[in-house]
Amino acid sequence: AQKITQTQPGMFVQEKEAVTLDCTYDTSDQSYGLFWYKQPSSGEMIFLIYQGSYDEQNATEGRYSLNFQKARKSANLVISASQLGDSAMYFCAMREGLGAGNMLTFGGGTRLMVKP
Amino acid sequence: GAVVSQHPSRVICKSGTSVKIECRSLDFQATTMFWYRQFPKQSLMLMATSNEGSKATYEQGVEKDKFLINHASLTLSTLTVTSAHPEDSSFYICSARDLIRPPSNQPQHFGDGTRLSIL
Repeated sequence: AQKITQTQPGMFVQEKEAVTLDCTYDTSDQSYGLFWYKQPSSGEMIFLIYQGSYDEQNATEGRYSLNFQKARKSANLVISASQLGDSAMYFCAMREGLGAGNMLTFGGGTRLMVKP
Repeated sequence: GAVVSQHPSRVICKSGTSVKIECRSLDFQATTMFWYRQFPKQSLMLMATSNEGSKATYEQGVEKDKFLINHASLTLSTLTVTSAHPEDSSFYICSARDLIRPPSNQPQHFGDGTRLSIL
């Protein structure tokens, strides 16, 4: 079964509007972390935001916020006031457990296109 | 902040050539580094976990003899694609995590990736 699911292969949003990118996850671990990364066409992976499984409040970083619904196992990324430079691939990822060597598992990604 | 440097950024070479990709953590020690492969318009797939001073752990389906990983120091891991063929053409990206510097929930830091094209 997929551990990380991003159901939106592509999305359009009008500049200056908010957009929500969906992410659901599957784990039996109690301790885990959820991440969002942005990958522009140049290829580098840019860390956006982190949510720990024990964090009671939703994470926020500037225009990015994470709508964490633990019971539903969802960790949607909300981008407010979209900008043209936000056009990129967005990946949701999960790290299970607190082990030092635990790797990230990535979702299939969502391509966001911001329209002027 | 923590920085991971990956080199080269792009390689174009003939079939049968072996290609070495370096991944360095510039301002932190990384006992563990990760190597991912990404095909066009697809997600990142973990190939292997590179452990300093010991053998790498490969994911199922990844050929150990094709993708040689060496993690000889706390700041350097290398991936060598041996006798590369056109089907090995892909985007390879490494990552590492600073386990010492707080906060403890440090994300993985990624190199800028290597685009490998085998003719």
